[in-house]
Amino acid sequence: DQQVKQNSPSLSVQEGRISILNCDYTNSMFDYFLWYKKYPAEGPTFLISISSIKDKNEDGRFTVFLNKSAKHLSLHIVPSQPGDSAVYFCAALGGYQKVTFGIGTKLQVIP
Amino acid sequence: EAGVAQSPRYKIIEKRQSVAFWCNPISGHATLYWYQQILGQGPKLLIQFQNNGVVDDSQLPKDRFSAERLKGVDSTLKIQPAKLEDSAVYLCASSPNSVPSSYEQYFGPGTRLTVT
Repeated sequence: DQQVKQNSPSLSVQEGRISILNCDYTNSMFDYFLWYKKYPAEGPTFLISISSIKDKNEDGRFTVFLNKSAKHLSLHIVPSQPGDSAVYFCAALGGYQKVTFGIGTKLQVIP
Repeated sequence: EAGVAQSPRYKIIEKRQSVAFWCNPISGHATLYWYQQILGQGPKLLIQFQNNGVVDDSQLPKDRFSAERLKGVDSTLKIQPAKLEDSAVYLCASSPNSVPSSYEQYFGPGTRLTVT
């Protein structure tokens, strides 16, 4: 039972354009959401997060949007840069710091 | 500050053999996690420690996997005996105790295990 779903396994975007990565969840008890970025042969790195009491959080080029009624969140990267090429994991928090990860979306930013 | 350290980085063993992974979290981080990431999947939590106590081990295959965190610092994850389906990257992560920064986990580079 996949509680956090990332339905797009990969995404290609031109440098300078917007990258939009999507994530859906099924568990209404999740109250905090995070995005992690992972380069090959490295562990995931925290990118940005959002609490369920908000619908938007912005940090530089990265913005996360949360639609609680649709149980959907998205990560926007503007403008996209070649160094953003990585696997992006959506994660949801419920209970005592227990995190459930999606399977990831591989982003390729083409120069 | 130094990151989460893991060793070894790579390990190849035959099925039915034993293997152990080591993790040194970021200094002062009270919570430590072990994840299993199978190729093409997201990390799956195996066990979570708060200091040296277990908070959650509901997804740890206890017939073959064991983990300990002596003195609330370093941790060891062991598999005995290994099966082919244990081939994965084993990630260790830690987080500080204070909310909300404790929601962010800091990951080590992982240990890639191949069972043949």
